[in-house]
Amino acid sequence: DSGVTQTPKHLITATGQRVTLRCSPRSGDLSVYWYQQSLDQGLQFLIQYYNGEERAKGNILERFSAQQFPDLHSELNLSSLELGDSALYFCASSVGPFPGTGELFFGEGSRLTVL
Amino acid sequence: QKEVEQDPGPLSVPEGAIVSLNCTYSNSAFQYFMWYRQYSRKGPELLMYTYSSGNKEDGRFTAQVDKSSKYISLFIRDSQPSDSATYLCAMSAGQGGKLIFGQGTELSVKP
Repeated sequence: DSGVTQTPKHLITATGQRVTLRCSPRSGDLSVYWYQQSLDQGLQFLIQYYNGEERAKGNILERFSAQQFPDLHSELNLSSLELGDSALYFCASSVGPFPGTGELFFGEGSRLTVL
Repeated sequence: QKEVEQDPGPLSVPEGAIVSLNCTYSNSAFQYFMWYRQYSRKGPELLMYTYSSGNKEDGRFTAQVDKSSKYISLFIRDSQPSDSATYLCAMSAGQGGKLIFGQGTELSVKP
C-alpha cells in the first residue's frame, strides 16, 4: 500500500459528460501529480501541484482542470468527455517539489471508460 | 520523436533467465534515472534509482546508465514468475524538470 488513495476506482460515463477524480496523497507529501495511462501513449504527465499551487503542466487538455485543496487532497476534473479520454488516471505524491529527485508514490488509479 | 523511447514488448522469458530492459533518450539534461515496476491493475512503484552515470545493484536487479550513449538498462538475474510485470523507465533533469516515463515493457516470466 503506497498510502495514496484514489477514488473512484472505476467510472463509466457517456461522451459529453463531466467527471471528477479524487486523490489523497501520502501523509506529509506536499506534491501531487496526475498522470494518464493508455495502451498507445504510455504514462503521460498531466499536471503537478505543490502545497496548493500549480507547479508544472504537461500534456493536459483544456477540457481538463485540477486543483489542490488546503488539506492537500487533489481533484482532477474532466469535462466534455470524448471516447479517447478512456484511460487509467493515476495520482502520485512526493515530499518535495522536484520530481525525479525523489520517489513518487502512486495510487492504484481510476479507470475511466467513456461510452 | 519522444524524449524517452522504450520497446513495449511484450517480452516472454523462461524462469531463471537473465532479462535486459532498455530505454533511450534524447534530452542530455537528464540526470536522474529510475525504473518503476507496475503489476497488473496496480500503480507503478519505484524499483531502482540512479543519479548520473554508472551502475547500481540491488539483489537480482542491476541498473546501468550510459549518458554518453543516452541509454539506460535494467538487468534482472535469475528471473522469477513474480517478476512478471510492466517495467517503466523514467528520467528527469532534476530541479525544475518534469519526470518523463517511457511507454513501459511488459515482461512475462514463465515457470
